Amino acid sequence: DAGVTQSPTHLIKTRGQQVTLRCSPISGHKSVSWYQQVLGQGPQFIFQYYEKEERGRGNFPDRFSARQFPNYSSELNVNALLLGDSALYLCASSETGDAKNIQYFGAGTRLSVL
Amino acid sequence: GQQVMQIPQYQHVQEGEDFTTYCNSSTTLSNIQWYKQRPGGHPVFLIQLVKSGEVKKQKRLTFQFGEAKKNSSLHITATQTTDVGTYFCTAAGNKLTFGGGTRVLVKP
Repeated sequence: DAGVTQSPTHLIKTRGQQVTLRCSPISGHKSVSWYQQVLGQGPQFIFQYYEKEERGRGNFPDRFSARQFPNYSSELNVNALLLGDSALYLCASSETGDAKNIQYFGAGTRLSVL
Repeated sequence: GQQVMQIPQYQHVQEGEDFTTYCNSSTTLSNIQWYKQRPGGHPVFLIQLVKSGEVKKQKRLTFQFGEAKKNSSLHITATQTTDVGTYFCTAAGNKLTFGGGTRVLVKP
């Protein structure tokens, strides 16, 4: 079975641009979460979606938005990119939105903002 | 908000030695999960602890949940080069709150 897949793997953008990152969860998983991991730090929670509804939001500006599709895949959008948005963006899927579910992470999208 | 602190931030270990990394929360946790991230990789689930005082073992790794459910520890015996990576504890609430991690380097 395929694990969590993310695309693209790497991305280079310039300040002010917009970016869309994509995530496909493990088959049968209905919850997707997004995390930002800056080099040398732990992942920071951005969003959780379950059954296409937003279940949680971290302390990120409104420039960050996400959605989940009927097939449970998800997109993370970041507008008006800043240099500080350079990071590894991780997607994790779980069976449900329950806090005790194991999170399965994808390999991530490494975003560089120049 | 919920915060999880991990110490030490870095751990240099001689191959074959033991070490322990600690995770402390400012609030009582319903459960705690541990993940390992290899250099250049992504977090991979190791274990979940739910009960007060719970102890779980995975080969050379021993995980413990504190009696007050505010702290946890990971003890690795006879460290091997395959143990290199960053170990994160997480407070599993409506979102996963990651600690800063303990970066483990193994000296052969």
